[in-house]
Amino acid sequence: GAVVSQHPSRVICKSGTSVKIECRSLDFQATTMFWYRQFPKQSLMLMATSNEGSKATYEQGVEKDKFLINHASLTLSTLTVTSAHPEDSSFYICSARDRARGLTEAFFGQGTRLTVV
Amino acid sequence: AQKITQTQPGMFVQEKEAVTLDCTYDTSDPSYGLFWYKQPSSGEMIFLIYQGSYDQQNATEGRYSLNFQKARKSANLVISASQLGDSAMYFCAMREGMDSSYKLIFGSGTRLLVRP
Repeated sequence: GAVVSQHPSRVICKSGTSVKIECRSLDFQATTMFWYRQFPKQSLMLMATSNEGSKATYEQGVEKDKFLINHASLTLSTLTVTSAHPEDSSFYICSARDRARGLTEAFFGQGTRLTVV
Repeated sequence: AQKITQTQPGMFVQEKEAVTLDCTYDTSDPSYGLFWYKQPSSGEMIFLIYQGSYDQQNATEGRYSLNFQKARKSANLVISASQLGDSAMYFCAMREGMDSSYKLIFGSGTRLLVRP
């Protein structure tokens, strides 16, 4: 199946610093990628939809200046958590849709566990 | 209003037996898709099965089958011959519409524990 690679898998950073998370589609073109956040024992909450070559669409309540999303190519989207604080600690996971496969599957990255100390 | 409802926070099943994980959904869009994902403790989301709203037959993928009851708006996942490796969180998700940019809406999940 299609592969989505997400890096890093784990990151610990100091409060006030910024962290960049990459999401790559390795063997397909993804015009649309999605970024989710998941708190322990909870479901995935969509943060934003990332469209190649255009601005991301953020869900209500998600600060666009806090969570910067860049979808620079058909295979790469990045999420930057700016001026991270302990409350930003969470599991972040991206997904990408394979245009060639239509709408039947959305492939997910391995996720990034962010801890802000 | 909840779009996707999973009413079972946790389920137990004996190894080699079948188990059904419930999922109900709410949409007024005639075109939609229903997904099931497995999330082991490692965190990755593993796609299991998909059912389109216009599909005439229930979807099946190996030991996974989707019991799609459109009138009831339910899309239960059936896992046959449970294995220890099936222990994980299971999420039901829905996509409304047929545009590739449409987002997935996830249920709250069901934690399945397979007993040896």
